[in-house]
Amino acid sequence: GAVVSQHPSWVICKSGTSVKIECRSLDFQATTMFWYRQFPKQSLMLMATSNEGSKATYEQGVEKDKFLINHASLTLSTLTVTSAHPEDSSFYICSARRTGAYEQYFGPGTRLTVT
Amino acid sequence: TQLLEQSPQFLSIQEGENLTVYCNSSSVFSSLQWYRQEPGEGPVLLVTVVTGGEVKKLKRLTFQFGDARKDSSLHITAAQPGDTGLYLCAVTTGTASKLTFGTGTRLQVML
Repeated sequence: GAVVSQHPSWVICKSGTSVKIECRSLDFQATTMFWYRQFPKQSLMLMATSNEGSKATYEQGVEKDKFLINHASLTLSTLTVTSAHPEDSSFYICSARRTGAYEQYFGPGTRLTVT
Repeated sequence: TQLLEQSPQFLSIQEGENLTVYCNSSSVFSSLQWYRQEPGEGPVLLVTVVTGGEVKKLKRLTFQFGDARKDSSLHITAAQPGDTGLYLCAVTTGTASKLTFGTGTRLQVML
């Protein structure tokens, strides 16, 4: 149990376009999901905390108008990178915390390349 | 400044060797987690340590939480190529139980 999926696993888009990444908890309900960003050879940096039915909480320095997060159900959160630029190219990883539990379970990540 | 500093940043060793990775902070934590991440994948939880001085073993991996709960170490005995990956320590912070990751240690085990 506790499987988290992400879609797509990789995406290439042109500068100026928007890209949506989905994060799903497949076999459990997740009130809270988290979105991370990871640059090559670096650690994970938390971007935002996504709570079902409410607005996401963004970390300092993360533009909320650029990285739109929606958590419309207990099993799905989406991250939309708006007006993507090459500097947004990165590995985006989500995690989900089972309702009432402590541990986070991570998705396999989405590699975004903006050309 | 990073909340969690890991050392070394990179380690390349031969199969069969032993190694230790450190995770240090000036802050005290109620618990600490270790993850391993392989290229192109999300991190996988290895262990959670909670009590100061606690030692946990996972096959050839030994995890220790410092007595003061400010630091932790991961020791791998007789490393194998399958141990290759990015090792991350992490702690939970804030009311939202956010995970803050360490700077990471990239391990490469060669045949």
